[in-house]
Amino acid sequence: NAGVTQTPKFQVLKTGQSMTLQCAQDMNHEYMSWYRQDPGMGLRLIHYSVGAGITDQGEVPNGYNVSRSTTEDFPLRLLSAAPSQTSVYFCASSRQGKTSANYGYTFGSGTRLTVV
Amino acid sequence: DAKTTQPTSMDCAEGRAANLPCNHSTISGNEYVYWYRQIHSQGPQYIIHGLKNNETNEMASLIITEDRKSSTLILPHATLRDTAVYYCIGPNDMRFGAGTRLTVKP
Repeated sequence: NAGVTQTPKFQVLKTGQSMTLQCAQDMNHEYMSWYRQDPGMGLRLIHYSVGAGITDQGEVPNGYNVSRSTTEDFPLRLLSAAPSQTSVYFCASSRQGKTSANYGYTFGSGTRLTVV
Repeated sequence: DAKTTQPTSMDCAEGRAANLPCNHSTISGNEYVYWYRQIHSQGPQYIIHGLKNNETNEMASLIITEDRKSSTLILPHATLRDTAVYYCIGPNDMRFGAGTRLTVKP
């Protein structure tokens, strides 16, 4: 059981480039979400999904797109990278709905993105 | 949705109990309180959650006040590896604040 897998682990982009951060889970979790964490700060919710075909915005969605075509995958797309998007990105999943009363959330190990 | 308040930082001596408080005065009657921790720059790790009864697992204990306006996470015998940022969050919006930075000292 791999849990939540994020790729790549590290990435350097030039301003204006686009890229997709990958997130996959093998636990058949319905709920998935993306967070960003800036140095010394807490996590901020970017986008989330309560199931395949359903996505919604979190606290800081601007500059990011998501889609959820399968239960397993929840990619995060940066449309035109900016230095302000330099951050560590975490993907998380949960067993049911927006919260899981019994299992909590499982997080990936993160993608460290630098935009120059 | 519940909002939580935690102290910015705490210290604890190795081997002693670490008691981390959280205020969640706006929590509603059916909302669980969740605790996570983040060691260095790893992904957050689920610790424990509770509704109204005290809870214990292999990692920690959770004490919730009778009015459910606050809770305390207890690490009974803190080790150096427990040094981390601890987050107390409400369930329905999964917004992580700055958490409490716990430093366990030898």
